[in-house]
Amino acid sequence: AQKVTQAQTEISVVEKEDVTLDCVYETRDTTYYLFWYKQPPSGELVFLIRRNSFDEQNEISGRYSWNFQKSTSSFNFTITASQVVDSAVYFCALSRRRDDKIIFGKGTRLHILP
Amino acid sequence: DVKVTQSSRYLVKRTGEKVFLECVQDMDHENMFWYRQDPGLGLRLIYFSYDVKMKEKGDIPEGYSVSREKKERFSLILESASTNQTSMYLCASSLGIPSGNTIYFGEGSWLTVV
Repeated sequence: AQKVTQAQTEISVVEKEDVTLDCVYETRDTTYYLFWYKQPPSGELVFLIRRNSFDEQNEISGRYSWNFQKSTSSFNFTITASQVVDSAVYFCALSRRRDDKIIFGKGTRLHILP
Repeated sequence: DVKVTQSSRYLVKRTGEKVFLECVQDMDHENMFWYRQDPGLGLRLIYFSYDVKMKEKGDIPEGYSVSREKKERFSLILESASTNQTSMYLCASSLGIPSGNTIYFGEGSWLTVV
């Protein structure tokens, strides 16, 4: 069975601090895909990143970075020098190759305080 | 740009009413999905469709049905709405043969059943 766990329900940090959102997944598939989505107060889920199971390279995009470690089944997301606009709910997700069915974690609500 | 449009942003319906939630995508995507989002439960898959007139049950299909008569349109139907179906509903789509495709979401429909 597939499962995604985001243990942090809610996090609050002061603006300009760095913050890491944790994501741990479970799957028996050898080929799978991991995603992060951002959901601002408006409600729409915004795609941030997709990573396949064969690509363990970390990725950096501006203030965002992602650390994928198959050994610990984790795909953590770090925001550097956080800003108020980063306040949102962030979802980690897992899909399997054979049907694209995506399983989401329960989300982490991030508050960036001015 | 990818565009998934949900016809109604906010709806209030009475218990027992038949409710239609409409979703249209303009990217020629084969795959379409309906999710439900509830506090503390994250996103849960209701139904998905890989092609016109094809549908498969997700994790929580009870009380719902779907219709896909045209490739770009995927409708979620609540045959007899109940108060426990008060929720946010998210439509999504993705491209082609399952291979870990990124799915793109609409803005969501907030349904209240009274």
